[in-house]
Amino acid sequence: GAVVSQHPSRVICKSGTSVKIECRSLDFQATTMFWYRQFPKQSLMLMATSNEGSKATYEQGVEKDKFLINHASLTLSTLTVTSAHPEDSSFYICSARRQTGIESYEQYFGPGTRLTVT
Amino acid sequence: ILNVEQSPQSLHVQEGDSTNFTCSFPSSNFYALHWYRWETAKSPEALFVMTLNGDEKKKGRISATLNTKEGYSYLYIKGSQPEDSATYLCAFSNTNAGKSTFGDGTTLTVKP
Repeated sequence: GAVVSQHPSRVICKSGTSVKIECRSLDFQATTMFWYRQFPKQSLMLMATSNEGSKATYEQGVEKDKFLINHASLTLSTLTVTSAHPEDSSFYICSARRQTGIESYEQYFGPGTRLTVT
Repeated sequence: ILNVEQSPQSLHVQEGDSTNFTCSFPSSNFYALHWYRWETAKSPEALFVMTLNGDEKKKGRISATLNTKEGYSYLYIKGSQPEDSATYLCAFSNTNAGKSTFGDGTTLTVKP
């Protein structure tokens, strides 16, 4: 199947610093990627939809200035957590949408990034 | 807010047992229902994409059924093996935009 990589897998940073997480589709082009966040013992919550060459679409309640998303190429989307605080500590995971037909698609996930803000 | 529920939350079975779990979703504006398998420290892996009422899909010992009119899907595992231990997620879409609402998952543990 298709492969999506995510880097870094783990990151520990100090409060007030910014952290960038990369999501790459390795063997297909993805015009659309998604960023999710998982809180402990909860499911994946969609944060934003990243569209290549245009602005990301954020879900209600997600601060766009806090979570900057850039999708500069068909294989790379980045999520930057700006001025991180301990409450931003979480598991962040991306997925890339691969079109398989006119009306069909599959979604491939990266392995996730564990962010800890101290 | 779309409500997608999975039950049970966790399940412990013996090797060789067959098991099943449920995903409930809104019965209106259905587009697709996805099942994923998520092993610890790995990426969620797509199992099935189901789009039509009455769909039945099978992959080895794992199969799934779909009832869009009543808003539920069942995932079955026949003859569970320890390597089936994982969290099984379902995700509901009401459009073709690719956005999905995930359930909280069912965590399956298969004891040898």
